[in-house]
Amino acid sequence: QVQLRESGPGLVKPSETLSLNCIVSGVSISSGGFHWSWIRQHPGKGLEWIGYIYYNGRSDYSPSLKSRVTISLDTSKNQISLKLSSVTAADTAVYYCAGETVSGDYSFNYWGQGTLVTVSS
Amino acid sequence: DIQMTQSPSSVSASVGDRVTITCRASQGISGWLAWYQQKPGKAPKILIYATSSLRGGVPSRFSGSGSGTDFTLTISSLQPEDFATYYCQQSFTFPRTFGQGTKVEIK
Repeated sequence: QVQLRESGPGLVKPSETLSLNCIVSGVSISSGGFHWSWIRQHPGKGLEWIGYIYYNGRSDYSPSLKSRVTISLDTSKNQISLKLSSVTAADTAVYYCAGETVSGDYSFNYWGQGTLVTVSS
Repeated sequence: DIQMTQSPSSVSASVGDRVTITCRASQGISGWLAWYQQKPGKAPKILIYATSSLRGGVPSRFSGSGSGTDFTLTISSLQPEDFATYYCQQSFTFPRTFGQGTKVEIK
């Protein structure tokens, strides 16, 4: 079955770049069946969509984060990556990668377990 | 951006109760509405997609309805494992947006 697993530093200093990876298993990210998204959740708060990328490189980002976000694919590793630059304490959150099915229902059917990133000096 | 507004923000209920959660979109979303359940420390789990389609393996006590801008998640008979936070989400357009969540608590 499809599984996603996030990895990356749990602590990032203010003004630096947050970098996370998401390894996908059970499906090829090149298959075209999913939009691959990053979603975050501030402590005790709701869900915030960060952006997505498709197998052909098409992507879109949240307007509030667009100037700082890059999402990319590494098909050789079957991996999706997130980079968020110039982080502040407001970027402290649990970060999830998620697969949104594109064949009919457009819902986030697959999620990673999430990884907590704390921004602090 | 399409704003998604859920109500109530929390509800206290007992096992066996019927619970209804409402989600309103700031514009029409052509039925592209999903519901998720999230338990503490866990990733969200899809319950319903496209307004009313139950994801495989989700108990039939969960149901969704609505159209236009107004949508509803109903739990017909609340079970102990249903105490969680529920989110609606629109996939009509980008950016994808979520409601602020509704916490279902034990009365």
